[in-house]
Amino acid sequence: NAGVTQTPKFQVLKTGQSMTLQCAQDMNHEYMSWYRQDPGMGLRLIHYSVGAGITDQGEVPNGYNVSRSTTEDFPLRLLSAAPSQTSVYFCASSRQRGETDTQYFGPGTRLTVL
Amino acid sequence: GNSVTQMEGPVTLSEEAFLTINCTYTATGYPSLFWYVQYPGEGLQLLLKATKADDKGSNKGFEATYRKETTSFHLEKGSVQVSDSAVYFCALSAQAGTALIFGKGTTLSVSS
Repeated sequence: NAGVTQTPKFQVLKTGQSMTLQCAQDMNHEYMSWYRQDPGMGLRLIHYSVGAGITDQGEVPNGYNVSRSTTEDFPLRLLSAAPSQTSVYFCASSRQRGETDTQYFGPGTRLTVL
Repeated sequence: GNSVTQMEGPVTLSEEAFLTINCTYTATGYPSLFWYVQYPGEGLQLLLKATKADDKGSNKGFEATYRKETTSFHLEKGSVQVSDSAVYFCALSAQAGTALIFGKGTTLSVSS
């Protein structure tokens, strides 16, 4: 199993550009989520999905869109990038969205918006 | 609301020293508690977890005990190694259907 994979590893954008961060998992997990990690802030939840066709907002959803057409994939879209979106983005998945379930994280995408 | 507070870093230790990283939480109900570790340039990975009061999670020489009376889940290791240098995150999950809530992370640097 590859686990949770993310592409690209690094990306530089100009303000106003759009892009999609890719996330895939091969563990047949129902629950997937996106976090951003900023210095001194820990990880903050952007969006999550409890299954194909179902998505919802997390703590910091503004400026991001998601969709979940398959169990395996959960892309994160930035429609018009802003410098405030400079961050490291992590995708995670777990078998269910239960309080005891372990979340598995991808290696991250480091995004810089100029 | 639910929250996690962990000690500020960085924590700098010599090899074979004893490690404690404090973590306290605020939550309604009976949360599950986790420690995740992030090695340089990598994503987070689960280090250990405890799902009910008085449980002890352990892995790779690290331990943490779920203390409901003090709402704490402190991470300990008796003898750290250089390879333990990483960022450690305490997290909680308050109930089924809710997301993980993370502390801000504590950077550990171990020198030989």
